[in-house]
Amino acid sequence: DAGVTQSPTHLIKTRGQQVTLRCSPKSGHDTVSWYQQALGQGPQFIFQYYEEEERQRGNFPDRFSGHQFPNYSSELNVNALLLGDSALYLCASSFGRTLYNEQFFGPGTRLTVL
Amino acid sequence: AQSVTQLGSHVSVSEGALVLLRCNYSSSVPPYLFWYVQYPNQGLQLLLKYTTGATLVKGINGFEAEFKKSETSFHLTKPSAHMSDAAEYFCAVTRGDSSYKLIFGSGTRLLVRP
Repeated sequence: DAGVTQSPTHLIKTRGQQVTLRCSPKSGHDTVSWYQQALGQGPQFIFQYYEEEERQRGNFPDRFSGHQFPNYSSELNVNALLLGDSALYLCASSFGRTLYNEQFFGPGTRLTVL
Repeated sequence: AQSVTQLGSHVSVSEGALVLLRCNYSSSVPPYLFWYVQYPNQGLQLLLKYTTGATLVKGINGFEAEFKKSETSFHLTKPSAHMSDAAEYFCAVTRGDSSYKLIFGSGTRLLVRP
């Protein structure tokens, strides 16, 4: 079992650009959540996707959007990048039928905005 | 609104000594509580969780935590620290009734001295 995988590992962008991060969930999981972890901080919830729809969203602007595909993989898109978007972006997967199931985290994508 | 406070951004112990990492939460409804560990350049791994039932929860790698409702605390302990325990530890909370998102504390870095 490969676990949760994320790509790319590292990414460098400039202000104003757009970025797409990708996540493949753990085998058997159908739910994907995205978190932003700034340096020295705990992860902050961005949103969760289940059955290809956004099920819940945190306090992030509309510049942050996502998508879930029929195979349960997911993308996180960030438009009009700001310096403050520099962070580690974590993807977590779970099996979503009950209210809460353990989330398994990937290694993250480190985004640097210059 | 829910929140998590982790006292002490850094905790240093000697190998073989007791580990105590503090976590206090705020929640208007019965919470689900979690401890995660993050090793350098890796994602988060679940150590243990409290949902309902027994308030003393045992996790992996010899860690345990006790849910104390009267003190709104969920402190993490381990009787004897090992060098391999050096990592960042995050306490997290979620609503037990209606939410899918985890709210994390800012983390505590555990240093283990030989």
